[in-house]
Amino acid sequence: SSELTQDPAVSVALGQTVRITCQGDSLRSYYASWYQQKPGQAPVLVIYGKNNRPSGIPDRFSGSSSGNTASLTITGAQAEDEADYYCNSRDSSGNHLFGGGTKLTVL
Amino acid sequence: QITLKESGPTLVKPTQTLTLTCTFSGFSLSTSGVGVGWIRQPPGKALEWLALIYWNDDKRYSPSLKSRLTITKDTSKNQVVLTMTNMDPVDTATYYCAHVSRAGFEYWGQGTLVTVSS
Repeated sequence: SSELTQDPAVSVALGQTVRITCQGDSLRSYYASWYQQKPGQAPVLVIYGKNNRPSGIPDRFSGSSSGNTASLTITGAQAEDEADYYCNSRDSSGNHLFGGGTKLTVL
Repeated sequence: QITLKESGPTLVKPTQTLTLTCTFSGFSLSTSGVGVGWIRQPPGKALEWLALIYWNDDKRYSPSLKSRLTITKDTSKNQVVLTMTNMDPVDTATYYCAHVSRAGFEYWGQGTLVTVSS
């Protein structure tokens, strides 16, 4: 079945680098997009395609992919990066799915 | 500037049908490659994709909810409507609509909380 798997929680020391991963069979064929969601707010697209950032997203956010795993890397994490992060992809039928989300804590 | 806003009832009773409207500006649903999607999020839980409609009226539905969902568009009004039948308390969630492009769900509405309770 199509699903995307994320670690429920990850922590990082302020200023350090953290990688958030997403696993799923659809990622072998389609890129993931990544969304940041802060409490009480709508999600925000932070990475899409091979490694593209929408306008206004800091360049400390980057994306990569290998096999069935997509990764979101934050290089030099800031306090404001503390949020939930969701991956999203489509499958061969054109249906979309989201991962279960990763809660990032910046220590 | 692209904006989207969800509207509809905040409270529905079990077994009723939910109708949500997404009203958007800053883009046209007649533009090739563009779509509008619906996503929901139960309180404290993860995002769940529901449905998507493209500029060419191509429609996609979550396989697990397909029998309950209908998505339509009114290009002249810049609106997309989602209906969900047979509502249940487990459908209590914040419902979002989002602009869809090759980048993904690029712009989101603020969301609307729908509570299912008798």
